[in-house]
Amino acid sequence: GENVEQHPSTLSVQEGDSAVIKCTYSDSASNYFPWYKQELGKRPQLIIDIRSNVGEKKDQRIAVTLNKTAKHFSLHITETQPEDSAVYFCAAPMFSGGYNKLIFGAGTRLAVHP
Amino acid sequence: KAGVTQTPRYLIKTRGQQVTLSCSPISGHRSVSWYQQTPGQGLQFLFEYFSETQRNKGNFPGRFSGRQFSNSRSEMNVSTLELGDSALYLCASRRQAGDEKLFFGSGTQLSVL
Repeated sequence: GENVEQHPSTLSVQEGDSAVIKCTYSDSASNYFPWYKQELGKRPQLIIDIRSNVGEKKDQRIAVTLNKTAKHFSLHITETQPEDSAVYFCAAPMFSGGYNKLIFGAGTRLAVHP
Repeated sequence: KAGVTQTPRYLIKTRGQQVTLSCSPISGHRSVSWYQQTPGQGLQFLFEYFSETQRNKGNFPGRFSGRQFSNSRSEMNVSTLELGDSALYLCASRRQAGDEKLFFGSGTQLSVL
């Protein structure tokens, strides 16, 4: 079926620690995996994405890793800061009738404590 | 370049009523998707429109419908509102259906009393 599972649902860390959020997807044809950050009262915004032809991508303190065989991908945030506190969503495209729709995980609420 | 614009920002309706939400995509974007966001449920896909045609549909009842106009603006309609329809409805646009990057609007917060 169409499913993107995301864990954990909540994550609490101390400032400076690392945070890891994991997602699994079901459609083996999925080839693009974005992560969105949604701050309180704001719209979801794309923070990093990865395509299926690479295993890892980094952008400053954030990185995403992909294991296509296991259908897993993860978001890694190092040296967390209070402004990293938000809800993070992973997503994967599901293909149907020649078009894809982006299916999102249930979200992870990250709290970074000073 | 203006972002995705949704109106209205807030709506309060009562059970049984119907509601129409509006979304204007980023200029040049021809695909518009709609999502329902509720606490703990993440972003649930409703449908996507491209070139005035519905290209994809999620698992929502027929009370949820939409359309797209020739200028790519989209509307979403919910008829016979139920309490469980209370949610943030997010619209997102991308250049083409099947393009990867999705850009979200700020959403319409619907409360059904």
